Amino acid sequence: EADIYQTPRYLVIGTGKKITLECSQTMGHDKMYWYQQDPGMELHLIHYSYGVNSTEKGDLSSESTVSRIRTEHFPLTLESARPSHTSQYLCASSDSSLNTEAFFGQGTRLTVV
Amino acid sequence: QQQVKQSPQSLIVQKGGISIINCAYENTAFDYFPWYQQFPGKGPALLIAIRPDVSEKKEGRFTISFNKSAKQFSLHIMDSQPGDSATYFCAARVVEYGNKLVFGAGTILRVKS
Repeated sequence: EADIYQTPRYLVIGTGKKITLECSQTMGHDKMYWYQQDPGMELHLIHYSYGVNSTEKGDLSSESTVSRIRTEHFPLTLESARPSHTSQYLCASSDSSLNTEAFFGQGTRLTVV
Repeated sequence: QQQVKQSPQSLIVQKGGISIINCAYENTAFDYFPWYQQFPGKGPALLIAIRPDVSEKKEGRFTISFNKSAKQFSLHIMDSQPGDSATYFCAARVVEYGNKLVFGAGTILRVKS
């Protein structure tokens, strides 16, 4: 079992609210990623980070933002949630020095009503 | 160029049968091809992976076949079991883009007992 944790697991929130999805890993991995996945669909990379103070946009445009102030922590924030943000958000991490595969958290299922 | 095409979208196999899922890619810069298994409500977990200098890799009942010239790779699940019922994603990694994974669309496998 990979040591990468996402909270909350489920979130139902009203339109216009600010939300932060938490992701933490205890493996000391330098790279971290956020993927968006609609039910039964493929994963799309929305953000990634090479390390502390590094953040990059992914392949899928997203209104969310991320920060990487600590190696182990990679939170994702939506300033004003909309129903179109309803989706599952998956966090992952990998170690570039060991060239490991990506380990995924269990995901946060977000519903914006 | 960044796409990985996966088929079939869904698959029903009898217990004890062979499940075969296929993927194709275009970008010759991909250097690592993992398969992920995802159960409902969980994040994807690495199942098996292969590098392009190897034509086949076997781990237990799971085998990846890789055809570099055709730019195709496939997952074979031998003696399929009901517990194998899950969504399977093939992926490809791009070293030049921070080891990001590009995912196929996924295959929903159901093994009937």
